[in-house]
This record gives sequence, C-alpha cells and structure tokens, in this order.
Amino acid sequence: SQQGEEDPQALSIQEGENATMNCSYKTSINNLQWYRQNSGRGLVHLILIRSNEREKHSGRLRVTLDTSKKSSSLLITASRAADTASYFCATGRQGGSEKLVFGKGTKLTVNP
Amino acid sequence: GAVVSQHPSRVICKSGTSVKIECRSLDFQATTMFWYRQFPKQSLMLMATSNEGSKATYEQGVEKDKFLINHASLTLSTLTVTSAHPEDSSFYICSARGARISGELFFGEGSRLTVL
Repeated sequence: SQQGEEDPQALSIQEGENATMNCSYKTSINNLQWYRQNSGRGLVHLILIRSNEREKHSGRLRVTLDTSKKSSSLLITASRAADTASYFCATGRQGGSEKLVFGKGTKLTVNP
Repeated sequence: GAVVSQHPSRVICKSGTSVKIECRSLDFQATTMFWYRQFPKQSLMLMATSNEGSKATYEQGVEKDKFLINHASLTLSTLTVTSAHPEDSSFYICSARGARISGELFFGEGSRLTVL
C-alpha cells in the first residue's frame, strides 16, 4: 500500500517563485527520499534525508523532516520552467526492508 | 550517478502474447532490482523485488505466474508479461540498488506497454 501522501496534488506557479510540496507518511522510517519524474520518463533521485536529520540542502532544494509529525517538505527556490515535473516522496521503512514506498506525487507546473 | 538502462521503451503487442522487458545496470552491480508499475497520473506501485540468483519476492496481489521476473546476473533483470491482456497496458519501471549504494535507487527510463 502507498504510504507517502503528497500535497498538493498539483501546483502551478510562475518562474522565480518558490514551490513547496509536502509529504506525510504513516509508519516509522529509516529515511525519506524525494524523486522527480518528467512525463513518461523514469524517476530521478533528488535528495535523501535520514530519520535522524531535520533539514538538508542540495542546490535550490531544501528538504525538511519532522518525524514527530511524520511529515516532510520539499522546497524548490527560484523555480524555473525546467522544474516542471511530478515530484514523489518515498519512504524507506525501519526494520531493514529495502523497499521504498512511493506517495502519489505532486505535479508541479512552472510557467515561464 | 549510476545508469540503469531499460529496454524496450515502448512496445505494442497483441492479446495473448508475451512481452519481455529488460533492465540493465550499466556501470555498477545491482544486487537488488525493483519492478514498478505506474498507471496514468498515478504513483509507482511496487510489483516485486528481484535479488540476483534467487527467486523474486512479489507484492501482495501481483501474480507471479503472470509477471515472470528473472535476475540471472548482477547487471540484468527481466520482467516478462505472459499472455498479455489489455488491462496489462501500463508503464513499467525498474530500479536498481548496488551492493555499496545505500538508500538511493537508480531508475530506468520505463517501458510503455500497450496490449491491443
């Protein structure tokens, strides 16, 4: 079953604005990852945050993790039209399972 | 990052035929590969976990006789959709994790299957 639930399901912004996507999950996790998918393509790994981390940065990406609320957020700053894609969070569960469980994703549209 | 190649990218077949999709890790040895199915505008649904040299572990509700998975080497896993039906039409994506790579998965570009 899907664990991660992203919101919003769709987000449309103008170039230069920031985009924030949220992800909630249900069980204890080992790590949480964010992936990007262009339409009809495979997924590209963006960033991984471990359960003992609270915030992580990578370029224009900022990810936060709140394990007490079982939620994470992905912030893309100074968005570009090329950031248009679907973004998924995926959780690695505690207990050693290798499986990642993906959320339903947020479809981001950045208008030029 | 590591490269995973998936082939074919698109395939159209007639009902009742079988289709094989290959997933290769090009620059690393993938001890574990995962096969996902994705419906339009939906998330990825894990179908099975494939470990090199052993039988695949299927998720609940996935028919192992319908979706045959073989992981014969550290760089190749195959998914065969047997006796395909129109409802099997979907986007199938593989991902791989190497022995020394923790957490991150590397994805193939996906295979769009259309069953007529």
